Amino acid sequence: SYEVTQPPSVSVSPGQTATITCSGDQLGYKNPCWYQQKPGQSPVLVIYQDNKRPSGIPEQFSASHSENTATLTISGTQALDEADYYCQVWDSSTASVVFGGGTKLTVL
Amino acid sequence: EVQLVESGGGLAQPGRSLRLSCSCSGFFFGDFAVSWFRQAPGKGLEWLGFIKSKLYGGTTNYAASVKGRVTISRDDSKSIAYLEINSLKTEDTAVYYCTRDELYRGYYYMDVWGKGTTVTVSS
Repeated sequence: SYEVTQPPSVSVSPGQTATITCSGDQLGYKNPCWYQQKPGQSPVLVIYQDNKRPSGIPEQFSASHSENTATLTISGTQALDEADYYCQVWDSSTASVVFGGGTKLTVL
Repeated sequence: EVQLVESGGGLAQPGRSLRLSCSCSGFFFGDFAVSWFRQAPGKGLEWLGFIKSKLYGGTTNYAASVKGRVTISRDDSKSIAYLEINSLKTEDTAVYYCTRDELYRGYYYMDVWGKGTTVTVSS
């Protein structure tokens, strides 16, 4: 089955830029999306269709991808950005949704 | 306002079955696929399966980890999707979420999530 790999944790200082990556075979061709989940809340879509943000998601969130990697970038990181971030792709070969294991972002 | 509301969670005994509901409003339910996820305490998100819209055949697909034990269905007349889990195990203890799934160039992603319903499997 298809696998998506994310680092378990990323730390960033307030005001700095955080980058969270996910990787997988040909991942860049599988429409990688990103979700934010704060403690006790349900996930929220923050990036979709390459680098689009749903209504209400601030411009500080952006994304890019290459052949095997996708990157979520959070500029001007604040304490309220502390959350788990998940990368998701669609594996068309098995018609399955695949999530990475999640990355816990800590703003120190 | 687009809303998905899960219900049907609670305490269940091992070996029994449980049916969860996902009541949707604020959009034309019939146009969208619906996925079910779960999240065990302190763990990541696990996709369980989804059901396509009738426009795309209304077919289902399930994660290998639960295939054969889980059934997803939909009632477009009521704007409700269902998740039935059979032969419950303690490992099924989790928060269960449903999502509205958007289709883009043949790829699905989850643009709206419900708040979840908690299932605890214990004797």
